[in-house]
Amino acid sequence: SQTIHQWPATLVQPVGSPLSLECTVEGTSNPNLYWYRQAAGRGLQLLFYSVGIGQISSEVPQNLSASRPQDRQFILSSKKLLLSDSGFYLCAWSVRNTEAFFGQGTRLTVV
Amino acid sequence: GQQVMQIPQYQHVQEGEDFTTYCNSSTTLSNIQWYKQRPGGHPVFLIQLVKSGEVKKQKRLTFQFGEAKKNSSLHITATQTTDVGTYFCAGPLRGAQKLVFGQGTRLTINP
Repeated sequence: SQTIHQWPATLVQPVGSPLSLECTVEGTSNPNLYWYRQAAGRGLQLLFYSVGIGQISSEVPQNLSASRPQDRQFILSSKKLLLSDSGFYLCAWSVRNTEAFFGQGTRLTVV
Repeated sequence: GQQVMQIPQYQHVQEGEDFTTYCNSSTTLSNIQWYKQRPGGHPVFLIQLVKSGEVKKQKRLTFQFGEAKKNSSLHITATQTTDVGTYFCAGPLRGAQKLVFGQGTRLTINP
């Protein structure tokens, strides 16, 4: 069966520090992969999506970047975090944009 | 640009009352998906509608896809406290390469 792993669950980072969030998927091949951010009490903002290895589409200009070094691995990074980067980060996968499966999410607080 | 809009943003009801959330897309969708996010959790897939005018039911939940495949609704009959959460619609845009979510409707219930 398919599973998605996302870690860490919570993270507190100082302003200006780097960030690396990792997401891995098991049990499927060539999935579409997504990073979403959710501010407290708000909707899901699509940050990046990928339809294949090394193929990244950015939706919102910001100081975040994403990479897909392997078929089932999706990484969200930042060189220097801002206070405004705080939020709930969710990784998800789907097959050709049908049902999406979400990871447990990472609650990032930038202090 | 292509968007998926959802209203209302918030809805508070008495337990036993009905609830409806509406979703509208600026473009025709190949499918519309609905998700539920419990407080503190991640979005969980509820259902996908594909056909024009399609209606699907899950117990007290009724989902509709508009004839033009640009709008959708979720109706809950006789809400229960277990229905609390945020309901999102989502649709594949840009040639079905990305999955975009509406802003969500947060449902709270007075027992």
